[in-house]
Amino acid sequence: SSELTQDPAVSVALGQTVRITCQGDSLRSYYASWYQQKPGQAPVLVIYGKNNRPSGIPDRFSGSSSGNTASLTITGAQAEDEADYYCNSRDSSGNPHVVFGGGTKLTVL
Amino acid sequence: EVQLVESGGGLVQPGGSLRLSCAVSGFTFSSYAMSWVRQAPGKGLEWVSGLSGNGGSTYYADSVKGRFTISRDNSKNTLYLQMNSLRAEDTALYYCAKDTGNTAMVFQFDYWGQGTLVTVYS
Repeated sequence: SSELTQDPAVSVALGQTVRITCQGDSLRSYYASWYQQKPGQAPVLVIYGKNNRPSGIPDRFSGSSSGNTASLTITGAQAEDEADYYCNSRDSSGNPHVVFGGGTKLTVL
Repeated sequence: EVQLVESGGGLVQPGGSLRLSCAVSGFTFSSYAMSWVRQAPGKGLEWVSGLSGNGGSTYYADSVKGRFTISRDNSKNTLYLQMNSLRAEDTALYYCAKDTGNTAMVFQFDYWGQGTLVTVYS
């Protein structure tokens, strides 16, 4: 099955812009979705499709994709954005499966 | 308000069985695909299984295929996961998740429950 690779940890200064990336062959065929997970809480969908935000997600969150890499950008990071972020997509290996990235721990300094 | 509430987790010995349930409300359950996603303690998310809105199409991760069975009762607005031949590596918090796809799976999840913990111990 396909794999999605994320950097384990990323940091950003308060109010600055940060990009979290996700790499994998499946991203050449399918869009990534992005989830935010805070300690002790369930994941929350923040970006899906080409660049769609569910209702209630601040517009500082945006998504993009190029080749085998998807990116989640937070423009003007806030303290409450500190969390784990996971990407996922459909597996492109032929099986109707779902693959998740290993997650990126975002620290807001 | 959309709500997903999992139940059925617990302690079980290797080789044992458990049946998880996920009761949903706040949306037309039969119109949406659903999935189970698990998270081992301190680890990342792992998709386990999914099925279409009418339950006619089911999908499994290789790690659980042949041991787990996903199903749904649209009259009861409930999703199930029958887990047999449990192993230590199945220990995790199991989330049910609503797919954004109408009827068929789109493999992106817009609502999640709070999870139910399964611990397989010897």
